Amino acid sequence: EIVLTQSPGTLSLSPGERATLSCKASESVTSNYLAWYRQRPGQPPTLLIYAVSARAAGIPDRFSAGGSRTDFTLTISRLEPEDFAVYFCQVYGYSPSFGQGTKVEIK
Amino acid sequence: QVPLVQSGPEVKNPGASVRVSCKSSGYTYTDYYIHWVRQAPGQGLEWLGWIDPRSGDTHHSKNFLDSITMTMDTSIYTAYMELTRLTSGDTAIYYCTRNSVSILDAFDIWGEGTLIIVSS
Repeated sequence: EIVLTQSPGTLSLSPGERATLSCKASESVTSNYLAWYRQRPGQPPTLLIYAVSARAAGIPDRFSAGGSRTDFTLTISRLEPEDFAVYFCQVYGYSPSFGQGTKVEIK
Repeated sequence: QVPLVQSGPEVKNPGASVRVSCKSSGYTYTDYYIHWVRQAPGQGLEWLGWIDPRSGDTHHSKNFLDSITMTMDTSIYTAYMELTRLTSGDTAIYYCTRNSVSILDAFDIWGEGTLIIVSS
């Protein structure tokens, strides 16, 4: 099972600022099976990004992502109020796993 | 029409079992695996396992070798996850979610979650 480590644990930013979240894998991620989710309080996760950099349906273009092998990044270009939430990266496939999450909070 | 509808919250004693249901609608049932993911209070997401609706084949996390059973009733498009020998550490929200069987994609739709509390 691939272990995903996210950093930072908490990111304190203001609305309109840029957020950069990191996800590091314990071994190389094959077939680009890397996704990102946003989870607002009291809600299930919402898929943002799949296949490392593809935005899911209905996700605005302020969300972008990239990376390869073991190092991946999610960027939110300008934080909107609804973006203050917890973000998880995930390796999917036969045995999926999740990172521990990064909380983006209002500064 | 909500694609994945889960059963309601439950409170269980330690040592008991619990079964959570997940009813699919609005899509071709056999086109998507059903996965189970849980989230303990204030914690991250933990993947439990998946079931293939075409065959009933299952695969689960090694952390749940003997305690989880995933089944389905294709006649009512409903998947079930049963957890046995519950402990307080099993207190969590349990989600069902799905991904495509054909392109092995990420989890695009999630149920609303089922809160399971284990307490004496």
